[in-house]
Amino acid sequence: DGGITQSPKYLFRKEGQNVTLSCEQNLNHDAMYWYRQDPGQGLRLIYYSQIVNDFQKGDIAEGYSVSREKKESFPLTVTSAQKNPTAFYLCASSRMTGTDYNEQFFGPGTRLTVL
Amino acid sequence: AQSVAQPEDQVNVAEGNPLTVKCTYSVSGNPYLFWYVQYPNRGLQFLLKYITGDNLVKGSYGFEAEFNKSQTSFHLKKPSALVSDSALYFCAVRDEYTGGFKTIFGAGTRLFVKA
Repeated sequence: DGGITQSPKYLFRKEGQNVTLSCEQNLNHDAMYWYRQDPGQGLRLIYYSQIVNDFQKGDIAEGYSVSREKKESFPLTVTSAQKNPTAFYLCASSRMTGTDYNEQFFGPGTRLTVL
Repeated sequence: AQSVAQPEDQVNVAEGNPLTVKCTYSVSGNPYLFWYVQYPNRGLQFLLKYITGDNLVKGSYGFEAEFNKSQTSFHLKKPSALVSDSALYFCAVRDEYTGGFKTIFGAGTRLFVKA
């Protein structure tokens, strides 16, 4: 059963804490993405990666960090520098075929709440 | 710069009636257009895409979308709505020049189908 998994489903963070959100895919996709979803604002791109050991900042990368040590995994760390981290976080992946029109496959999301 | 507009926050329709969810876009080059659906507390699911060719694109669950280049629109349609179609719908766009692997999402339109 192929797909994308994210864990945990719910995460609570105290002020000043770093937390890491997990994203794993078994679709053999090269590209992976992290989005943040806030009510009424659609999805905003945090980071994306096209190959292992390489990633690029999206529109709202400040206060976040990522790594891509394996093709299957793209964890996101929300650092204490992120001032308003409460949101729904979505991980996605897509094929890379030399074109820009491959659809993305999304995980079920992680809801992060700052206490 | 790329942009996507979904002018309606919410669309209400009776079961069995046709539905339309509107989307307009702005890109530098030729657009690659997508529709995704999101059910509560879930990730997004791909519905359909327009790359080139026939302006009427058919997708999953009986949905279709019409690409109109002169009006820069890509409205999502279904001839007969079901209660189970109630969800949040996102239009998204990439363009051939600046997209790379970056997709711009609209803010979303919530569809309510009443029995």
